[in-house]
Amino acid sequence: KNQVEQSPQSLIILEGKNCTLQCNYTVSPFSNLRWYKQDTGRGPVSLTIMTFSENTKSNGRYTATLDADTKQSSLHITASQLSDSASYICVVIIYGGSQGNLIFGKGTKLSVKP
Amino acid sequence: DGGITQSPKYLFRKEGQNVTLSCEQNLNHDAMYWYRQDPGQGLRLIYYSQIVNDFQKGDIAEGYSVSREKKESFPLTVTSAQKNPTAFYLCASSIGSGTNYGYTFGSGTRLTVV
Repeated sequence: KNQVEQSPQSLIILEGKNCTLQCNYTVSPFSNLRWYKQDTGRGPVSLTIMTFSENTKSNGRYTATLDADTKQSSLHITASQLSDSASYICVVIIYGGSQGNLIFGKGTKLSVKP
Repeated sequence: DGGITQSPKYLFRKEGQNVTLSCEQNLNHDAMYWYRQDPGQGLRLIYYSQIVNDFQKGDIAEGYSVSREKKESFPLTVTSAQKNPTAFYLCASSIGSGTNYGYTFGSGTRLTVV
């Protein structure tokens, strides 16, 4: 069964600290993996898109990694800010499937405290 | 400014009523999607459309209906047959080719049954 598991479910950190969010997937065939940031009551906004051959991709203070062998991805946030408080969603797209074949994780809710 | 516009932001429905959620995009994207988001769950696909006048059911289509008469518009009707419609509804669109679909989400509509 195609699944995307994220951990932790929620996380609280102090402003200025770093954190890492995890995503494990059992999706096949794999096309690409995306991380989205979703503010409360808003739509998800894309942070990174990684294909099979990419190991690392950065977007400002956000760095995503992908290990296609172990089917794991992580999102590292450096020097966290209060505005980083949001849910972070890992999404894996099935290769060659219809355009409805996105598998969503349940998200990690990050709270950054002053 | 290109993007996806969902309206209204908040919607209240009485028991037995049908309501329609609007989704408009000016990105010239071919494909459009409707997702439902419940607390603690990943996004679930309701319907998607790859071209005008064509659409397919997603994982949870029962109690919902859609139309795609124009490329820019993909309205979702929540019918009285949907027994648990209270949720956050997200519309998305994509370019529709290759591995980087260029997914873009709207800001969402929160539907509450009163």
